[in-house]
Amino acid sequence: QVQLVESGGGLVKAGGSLRVSCAASGFTFSDYYMSWIRQAPGKGLEWVSYITSNGNYANYADSVKGRFTISRDNAKNSLYLQMNSLRAEDTAVYYCVRELGRPDYWGQGTLVTVSS
Amino acid sequence: QSVLTQLPSASGTPGQRVTISCSGSSSNIRSNAVNWYQQLPGMAPKLLIYGNDQRPSGVPDRFSTSKSGTSASLAISGLQSEDEADYYCAVWDDSLNGWVFGGGTKLTVL
Repeated sequence: QVQLVESGGGLVKAGGSLRVSCAASGFTFSDYYMSWIRQAPGKGLEWVSYITSNGNYANYADSVKGRFTISRDNAKNSLYLQMNSLRAEDTAVYYCVRELGRPDYWGQGTLVTVSS
Repeated sequence: QSVLTQLPSASGTPGQRVTISCSGSSSNIRSNAVNWYQQLPGMAPKLLIYGNDQRPSGVPDRFSTSKSGTSASLAISGLQSEDEADYYCAVWDDSLNGWVFGGGTKLTVL
C-alpha cells in the first residue's frame, strides 16, 4: 500500500533553515509528480510546491518562492523540502503528497514551528 | 485569503442532504477538474472525489458533486455522524501553475 512518511520537522527560529524529508513506499516513486502542501494550525490547506517525476522542473507558491527548494532522489524514493529564511507564517504541518492528475495520497505530515 | 471560496461551516441532521459550495474563476474551476478532500479531526486529508465526479475505491455513493461555470459543489446525502469533518475543494490553477484550495467547510452533524 502507498505510504508517505515525513520527517525533519521541529522548532526553528525566524530566519533559520530546516529540511523536511518524505520517504515513499508502496508505489513506483519515479513515475509520479510529488508535492508539498501545508496547513497552518487551525487553518486551511495551502499548496507549497510540486516537482515533476524526473525532478527536472518544479514550481512554487509565491509565498515561498526564492526561500524554499523542492528536490527528490528517485534512487532513494525520497522527497525533500529545503526551507530557508523561515518566517513565523511558515509555521504549519507540512504534508508530502503524491500526484496522479490530482493530489491523491497524503502522508501524516510533519510540524514545523518557527518562533519569532 | 484562499483562491477558492467556501463557506466556513455547514450542518445537518442524520439522514439529511447537505451541500457544500466552492467558488473560483475561469483560470481554475472553469478550466479544470475539481477535487474534494475530507479531513477528519487530527488526520491528514483524504481524497474524496476527483475529476469532478469520480470516487476512489471505498468512498460511498452518498457523496456526489456538480460543477457549473466557475462554481462547484459537494453533496452528501443520508448524512451520518462519521461525516463530521472539514471538506476542501481543490483545483489546478492555470495562471498560478499550481494547486489552489478552498478555505474549507466544517461540517457538523447535529
